[in-house]
Amino acid sequence: GDSVTQMEGPVTLSEEAFLTINCTYTATGYPSLFWYVQYPGEGLQLLLKATKADDKGSNKGFEATYRKETTSFHLEKGSVQVSDSAVYFCALSRTGFQKLVFGTGTRLLVSP
Amino acid sequence: DTAVSQTPKYLVTQMGNDKSIKCEQNLGHDTMYWYKQDSKKFLKIMFSYNNKELIINETVPNRFSPKSPDKAHLNLHINSLELGDSAVYFCASSPGGVANTGELFFGEGSRLTVL
Repeated sequence: GDSVTQMEGPVTLSEEAFLTINCTYTATGYPSLFWYVQYPGEGLQLLLKATKADDKGSNKGFEATYRKETTSFHLEKGSVQVSDSAVYFCALSRTGFQKLVFGTGTRLLVSP
Repeated sequence: DTAVSQTPKYLVTQMGNDKSIKCEQNLGHDTMYWYKQDSKKFLKIMFSYNNKELIINETVPNRFSPKSPDKAHLNLHINSLELGDSAVYFCASSPGGVANTGELFFGEGSRLTVL
């Protein structure tokens, strides 16, 4: 079945460091790919998405590119802030968007 | 005005009890979901309803029974609670049909602790 694999956390960085969180997926066909973020004590919220190969999703300085050849959707940010500390979830959805399949989440901790 | 609201936010109860969690969305969405997040933050879909009709029912014990009285509400009732039911339960909603972009709108979660 469909699955999403994320790097294990926590990822610990200093403010202004470069961030990469790896995400790879297994799915038949051409899924849409998403990054969701969960701040402490809150529900998940959509960070960015890409619906076809080579699409780049971006929001709040975060970017991810849909790479079909490597079945990946790695999340990057050039300069992280303390306020970016959260759990980041990679997810996929197939045609119809009836359900999202989530990765296990990666906790990011950014220190001043 | 909260878009997806769940009650209660916290629930502590004994094994064997029955409890319910309620969810309401004011976004006008057609589809609602229940997700379970375990202690390791892993999120798994449990149920999905579209316009009050059950469309996704993952492998969930039948102690869990969802109910959707109308498309703005999706409640979750759990019978005979077990220790392993301790988790955070998230309600979510999304538009149906051609308006569905895959984005889910989540509530803040209901943390259930079974003692």
